[in-house]
Amino acid sequence: AQKITQTQPGMFVQEKEAVTLDCTYDTSDPSYGLFWYKQPSSGEMIFLIYQGSYDQQNATEGRYSLNFQKARKSANLVISASQLGDSAMYFCAMREGAQGAQKLVFGQGTRLTINP
Amino acid sequence: NAGVMQNPRHLVRRRGQEARLRCSPMKGHSHVYWYRQLPEEGLKFMVYLQKENIIDESGMPKERFSAEFPKEGPSILRIQQVVRGDSAAYFCASSPRNKPPDGYTFGSGTRLTVV
Repeated sequence: AQKITQTQPGMFVQEKEAVTLDCTYDTSDPSYGLFWYKQPSSGEMIFLIYQGSYDQQNATEGRYSLNFQKARKSANLVISASQLGDSAMYFCAMREGAQGAQKLVFGQGTRLTINP
Repeated sequence: NAGVMQNPRHLVRRRGQEARLRCSPMKGHSHVYWYRQLPEEGLKFMVYLQKENIIDESGMPKERFSAEFPKEGPSILRIQQVVRGDSAAYFCASSPRNKPPDGYTFGSGTRLTVV
């Protein structure tokens, strides 16, 4: 069964607009963590933001925020004021279990293209 | 403080040869993870190692693949008798003990091409 689902294979957004990338997850473990990574065309994996299952507030990091809806099992990434440099693949990932178990399960990714 | 170092960055092997990928974790990190990324897909977990121990190899193919993290030196992912389907990007990540999430750092990956 797919644990992480990213339903948008590709998205096109005008520069300076906000964009929401969808991610839903499936787990029965009460303790888990959700990650978003950016992979530009150069190929490296860049950590963007993290949300723990017990965190009371939605995570924010600069222009990135995570819209965490626990009951719906969704963890959407919101990028405000998009920039040309935001064009990249974006991956949602989940870590299940206690802190010592740090294996990540990744979604298929969303390719974001920012148009000038 | 250098990040996770992977080498080589690009590796070309002929079918039937051996591929050896290296990963040096960040200083102070004792946990290493290997992931594989096929074209246009997300990363898939392969193996989790601590020094001299394989903790979880549930994602490793049963044959031709092996990994080690010796007491001294880098972690090595070894693929014997490579086939075209092994062509992928292989990423290594490292973390200190029990410290997600900002301690989970990826290297830049090794792109393996089998011709």
